[in-house]
Parts: sequence; C-alpha cells; structure tokens
Amino acid sequence: DAGVTQSPTHLIKTRGQHVTLRCSPISGHKSVSWYQQVLGQGPQFIFQYYEKEERGRGNFPDRFSARQFPNYSSELNVNALLLGDSALYLCASSRTLDNTEAFFGQGTRLTVV
Amino acid sequence: AQKVTQAQTEISVVEKEDVTLDCVYETRDTTYYLFWYKQPPSGELVFLIRRNSFDEQNEISGRYSWNFQKSTSSFNFTITASQVVDSAVYFCALSAGWLGYGKLTFGQGTILTVHP
Repeated sequence: DAGVTQSPTHLIKTRGQHVTLRCSPISGHKSVSWYQQVLGQGPQFIFQYYEKEERGRGNFPDRFSARQFPNYSSELNVNALLLGDSALYLCASSRTLDNTEAFFGQGTRLTVV
Repeated sequence: AQKVTQAQTEISVVEKEDVTLDCVYETRDTTYYLFWYKQPPSGELVFLIRRNSFDEQNEISGRYSWNFQKSTSSFNFTITASQVVDSAVYFCALSAGWLGYGKLTFGQGTILTVHP
C-alpha cells in the first residue's frame, strides 16, 4: 500500500513568490494535516482538514492557506514568500479526525532565496 | 495551551549502551494522547508509540520501552542495547482536548547519535 506522498520533494523559490505543495493521503484516510519544521526545531502545526473542511489552524499568517479535494488530497499554498518560510513541510494523514494514528510523508523541503 | 519539553538536545552513545530520552509535557486537559516519533535523515516522521492519558502502563517493544508517569507529567523513552541504526532525531508529541486532538504539539527533538 502506498504511504503518504508529497510533491515536490525539493523546491527553491525567490522571496515574494507563491508556492503550492501537494499531499496525497493513504487510501481511506480522510484527514490531512500540514506541519512546518524549521531546521533544528520540532514540527509546528499549520492546518488540519477533515472531510474537505478546515478543522484546525495553527498560529500562521494569512499568507498560508490550504484546501482538501474530493479525493482527500490536499494542497498547501504560501503567498509572498519570506526567507523565514524556508523549512521542511510535512503532511500527515489519518483515518480519523483525532489523528491518534497519523502517518507522515517524507516532506517537501522549501528553500526561499 | 499545550507544551512539550525535551531537555536533551543531543545525546551521543556507543553501540550497545542503553539510552533514555526524556519528555515532559504540560496540558490542562485530563484527556490527552502522547506520542514518540523517529525522524531519520530522510525526513519522514516514523510513528513509534501512542499512549492515552488513562493508560499509565509501561510498554516494551523489543529494545524500546516507554515509561509514562502522570505524577511528574513525563513520558520517557528508553532504547536498550542501542544500535547505529537508532541514530536519528526523536520527537515527543502531545495532542489534547476534545477539540484539539487533530493537532500534535511537538517537542524540540533529541538528536541521538550511536557510534559503532
């Protein structure tokens, strides 16, 4: 069975640009969560989507947005990129809303120059 | 608010040594879950264990064991007879509250290096 897949794996963008990151959850999983992991720190929660609705939002600016599609895949969008947005972006999928068994993808490493 | 503290930033051991990774958590909720994840250099977070707040039984899985003590708000992780393949970053995490279960709050992580 395929695990959580994220694309692209690496990305380099320029300050001020926009980026879209994609995540395909494990088949049968309806919850997708996004985390930002800055080098040397633990992951920070950005969003959770369950059944195509936003169910949780972390302390991130409005430049960050996300959505979930009917097939439960998800996109994370970041506008007006800043150098500080450089990080590993992780997607987690879970069968249930409570994420008691969340599986993570390998992440997208975003570098903003 | 939820908080997880992993006081050990880096630990270095020689193969076959036992090593304990500390985790202290804070939450006002009486119902919560605690987790440990392993992050190898590839970046993916690998799930190791989940514990709910009503189950204080210690758990052993092969060379891994976990000690959950509500009295000290700690959820420590011990690797017995460490191996080079155990080298990774280890994260303790917490999810709490009826409306907050979907959000995992992670500690800063402990970098474990096992030398041959």
